[in-house]
Amino acid sequence: GEDVEQSLFLSVREGDSSVINCTYTDSSSTYLYWYKQEPGAGLQLLTYIFSNMDMKQDQRLTVLLNKKDKHLSLRIADTQTGDSAIYFCAEMDSSYKLIFGSGTRLLVRP
Amino acid sequence: DTGVSQDPRHKITKRGQNVTFRCDPISEHNRLYWYRQTLGQGPEFLTYFQNEAQLEKSRLLSDRFSAERPKGSFSTLEIQRTEQGDSAMYLCAIWEGADKDEQYFGPGTRLTVT
Repeated sequence: GEDVEQSLFLSVREGDSSVINCTYTDSSSTYLYWYKQEPGAGLQLLTYIFSNMDMKQDQRLTVLLNKKDKHLSLRIADTQTGDSAIYFCAEMDSSYKLIFGSGTRLLVRP
Repeated sequence: DTGVSQDPRHKITKRGQNVTFRCDPISEHNRLYWYRQTLGQGPEFLTYFQNEAQLEKSRLLSDRFSAERPKGSFSTLEIQRTEQGDSAMYLCAIWEGADKDEQYFGPGTRLTVT
């Protein structure tokens, strides 16, 4: 079945770049997503990429997609303390539902 | 604001009681999804609606769970005879189709079964 995997934890210093990685299994996924979740809150859609693209940039966020290796990454430039949260990678399957990873907790140290 | 509200935000109930949650999209959307998120995990798909029709149900959705979307706008999720294992965050999402494939989530209903 479909599966999405992420590393559990990432710690960076304020001002550095953060790179959060994700692997997925469904080669037929049309879209791949990144969501952010702060404590006690719902999920905020950060960005997404269509499967025929290999890169998408949106202000401080850069998404890289390696379709051959089924690898997705999210780079956050100039990471701020307000970026501390859990980041979820998700793939959209053929019935348009999202399959999520377990999330990567990003801690930004001052 | 994602355009999706959920009510209640928190619910504490005793094991064996029935609970009902509501999801209200601000505007009309064809597709509406329910997900469940347990502590330390990503959301897991439960079911989704295309207008009034419930098109897919996860195996996570036991016969104690029922969902409706009677007029193709708001939706309800009912859990009968709650169990402690039902404790989770229940999330509703709407799908922005057409030119974009974006799913926006509501704030969720946190259920605690004691």
